[in-house]
Amino acid sequence: EVQLVESGGDLVQPGRSLRLSCAASGFTFDDYAMYWVRQAPGKGLEWVSGISWNSGTILYADSVKGRFTISRDNAKNSLYLQMNSLRAEDTALYYCAKDSRASSWSNWFDPWGQGTLVTVSS
Amino acid sequence: SYVLTQPPSVSVAPGQTARITCGGNNIESKSVHWYQQKPGQAPVVVVYDDSDRPSGIPERFSGSNSGNTATLTISRVEAGDEADYYCQVWDSSSDHVVFGGGTKLTVL
Repeated sequence: EVQLVESGGDLVQPGRSLRLSCAASGFTFDDYAMYWVRQAPGKGLEWVSGISWNSGTILYADSVKGRFTISRDNAKNSLYLQMNSLRAEDTALYYCAKDSRASSWSNWFDPWGQGTLVTVSS
Repeated sequence: SYVLTQPPSVSVAPGQTARITCGGNNIESKSVHWYQQKPGQAPVVVVYDDSDRPSGIPERFSGSNSGNTATLTISRVEAGDEADYYCQVWDSSSDHVVFGGGTKLTVL
């Protein structure tokens, strides 16, 4: 069974940093692109970032570019999101998600983890 | 940047057909995917590549994509279909994933 388990969410002050992790199991991790998607409380889904299976392609939403860094460790079956200079508007549930097709990009996301909550407040 | 527009809410009686639209400029040139999100749960894909259905998703869920509008159709709506639904595309011009604003389906 494919599983994605996020961790690292916390309450943090504006301007501080946080690192999220996503532990993957049940599939060949280094065959798939991975993504981060967030959802502010009571709001819709917002794509944050994506990374190809070999880290050769990395993309960011305009709202986080220059502040967030996505990375992966294929040896540890793990995806990360380093979040710097956090703002109140970054408050959200952060999901990691797997691309639906191996060695591919720009497909649908399947499955999603259960998310980890990041709250940015003083 | 590419924008996807969904109605905030759709209401339908049990047994009837719900249609949720997703508008975007020349959206027919893109592959549209649809997710269902129930309260407190992660999104789950119900239709991908405009009209394909993952295994385990009832045949009542179908999709179409033409012109500037993609549509998710749910036939014979059940109470358990009540959820938020999101459309998603990949915008190749910006290399960004784009989600619609979401539609809350209410079963009366």
